[in-house]
Amino acid sequence: NAGVTQTPKFQVLKTGQSMTLQCAQDMNHNSMYWYRQDPGMGLRLIYYSASEGTTDKGEVPNGYNVSRLNKREFSLRLESAAPSQTSVYFCASTWGNGNEQFFGPGTRLTVL
Amino acid sequence: QKEVEQDPGPLSVPEGAIVSLNCTYSNSAFQYFMWYRQYSRKGPELLMYTYSSGNKEDGRFTAQVDKSSKYISLFIRDSQPSDSATYLCAMTGGGTDSWGKFQFGAGTQVVVTP
Repeated sequence: NAGVTQTPKFQVLKTGQSMTLQCAQDMNHNSMYWYRQDPGMGLRLIYYSASEGTTDKGEVPNGYNVSRLNKREFSLRLESAAPSQTSVYFCASTWGNGNEQFFGPGTRLTVL
Repeated sequence: QKEVEQDPGPLSVPEGAIVSLNCTYSNSAFQYFMWYRQYSRKGPELLMYTYSSGNKEDGRFTAQVDKSSKYISLFIRDSQPSDSATYLCAMTGGGTDSWGKFQFGAGTQVVVTP
């Protein structure tokens, strides 16, 4: 099993550009999450999806959109990137209510 | 003020020493407490998971939760250089209104020197 995979690993954008971060899991988990990690801030939840077909906002959803394409895949889209979105983005998945989350390797995004 | 406070370190210890990490929190509704380990440029991985108050031991790792003081700890005995990583605490209420919504500490960087 590959676990949770994320693409791309690295990305540099210019302000105003758009991009989609991809996440897939092969553990048949119901729930999937997108976090951002910034120095001194810990992990902050952007969006989550409790099950296929549902998505909900987390702590810091502004500037992002998500799509739960199917049970395996959960994508995060930046429509108009801003320097404040420079961060490391992690996708995670879990069974049920999420007390044991499995994380992907992360995407390092820089917005110039 | 953050709901979860964690000293960022770095915490440097010699090999074989006990590493002591802790987090404080303000939300009395938190019921589930986790510790994650994160190696440099990797995703976090779950180390320990505790429900409510008490102690839990797993090999060299011991997690403690004191809900009356809103304080959780992780101890690593006989520390090894391979334990060098950032350790994140996380917690959640577990109820339907906090479903899947973890609060993470900022992480403590640990360096174990040979």
